[in-house]
Amino acid sequence: GDSVTQTEGPVTVSESESLIINCTYSATSIAYPNLFWYVRYPGEGLQLLLKVITAGQKGSSRGFEATYNKETTSFHLQKASVQESDSAVYYCALGPSNTGYQNFYFGKGTSLTVIP
Amino acid sequence: DPKIIQKPKYLVAVTGSEKILICEQYLGHNAMYWYRQSAKKPLEFMFSYSYQKLMDNQTASSRFQPQSSKKNHLDLQITALKPDDSATYFCASSQEGTGGYEQYFGPGTRLTVL
Repeated sequence: GDSVTQTEGPVTVSESESLIINCTYSATSIAYPNLFWYVRYPGEGLQLLLKVITAGQKGSSRGFEATYNKETTSFHLQKASVQESDSAVYYCALGPSNTGYQNFYFGKGTSLTVIP
Repeated sequence: DPKIIQKPKYLVAVTGSEKILICEQYLGHNAMYWYRQSAKKPLEFMFSYSYQKLMDNQTASSRFQPQSSKKNHLDLQITALKPDDSATYFCASSQEGTGGYEQYFGPGTRLTVL
């Protein structure tokens, strides 16, 4: 079925270090799904971090970036230098489109703690 | 100001009881959703409503009933509660037809069933 697998948390990194959160997907019913990263800060709802709807393209926001790789069915989230304010839970997802899914398929979420 | 309000933030219930989770959105959106995340499981889609009409239901149990009294409200009634219903329930909304596909989420209601 359609699903998302992402890095098991919790993940702890020191401030200014680099970060990668792995995300792979299985999209059995849609050839080219839209891919999303959402972030949930403590006490808040999920917020869209970035999205990519075209295979081979890269999305970026707030210093984070992710590339839609159809060959490896991956959408890894990276940041070169994390800050304490990046501490949050990150969710990778297959998302809706005009010709594809109507709703989201999320991963389990990866909890990130950045140590100052 | 919060754009999507969920009440209560925390809820403790006993097995067999009934609870209603409240969701109100002030984004002017025409579609609303419920999601659930149980411990160590993915965040999973439950329901979608568009213009106050049920569009999709991925919840197997009839114990879960969405209720839309106003176009910016989508409450979730859960009857005959079980410990397995313990989870954080998220409400979301979106504006269909804009092509953006983004959904906006509330902060969640954490339900614990004893």
